[in-house]
Amino acid sequence: DAKTTQPTSMDCAEGRAANLPCNHSTISGNEYVYWYRQIHSQGPQYIIHGLKNNETNEMASLIITEDRKSSTLILPHATLRDTAVYYCIVRDSNYQLIWGAGTKLIIKP
Amino acid sequence: GAGVSQSPSNKVTEKGKDVELRCDPISGHTALYWYRQSLGQGLEFLIYFQGNSAPDKSGLPSDRFSAERTGGSVSTLTIQRTQQEDSAVYLCASSSGGGGYETQYFGPGTRLLVL
Repeated sequence: DAKTTQPTSMDCAEGRAANLPCNHSTISGNEYVYWYRQIHSQGPQYIIHGLKNNETNEMASLIITEDRKSSTLILPHATLRDTAVYYCIVRDSNYQLIWGAGTKLIIKP
Repeated sequence: GAGVSQSPSNKVTEKGKDVELRCDPISGHTALYWYRQSLGQGLEFLIYFQGNSAPDKSGLPSDRFSAERTGGSVSTLTIQRTQQEDSAVYLCASSSGGGGYETQYFGPGTRLLVL
């Protein structure tokens, strides 16, 4: 079973920051938090991952709380093309990615 | 560089027929993964290859499903005697190393419809 809990859906206005929360209260010390997204009818796209520290790349920022029990993915300036299902995944050294249902993010003009 | 590619992109078949799905991983990636995604669901792990070996086949839903990988590159997922419940999107991913924390990169998927 997935070790994460995410809201089923969220809306965000175009140009604003989209903040997607994820709860992972049972995360272990060696487990990473990964984020992928899946745009309609496409394969999942890797976004970002982190262990303890906050991370930033060209797509997004990942904020992990100090106790590591939750995290937030931030898309700083959302566009209509960011409409997708966003998956938060907790992963250890096991090769399997265990997927939940994700958050359906809708960017509105 | 080129990403993971899969073929065909769509496949419609009749119940009872066999199908073959192909995956070309990113060049140089030693690990390859197959997942299945039913409509509106998250991904379900099927099988993992490290090189040409499959250390874990536990996710294959039945003995009608098999997969092979040759030359440490291309992989084929075969479904024999297809059933309607096999209808799904079949996704392939690859990573530069096996297991560990290597990021998996996905292909566009093959949409299989069994009539």
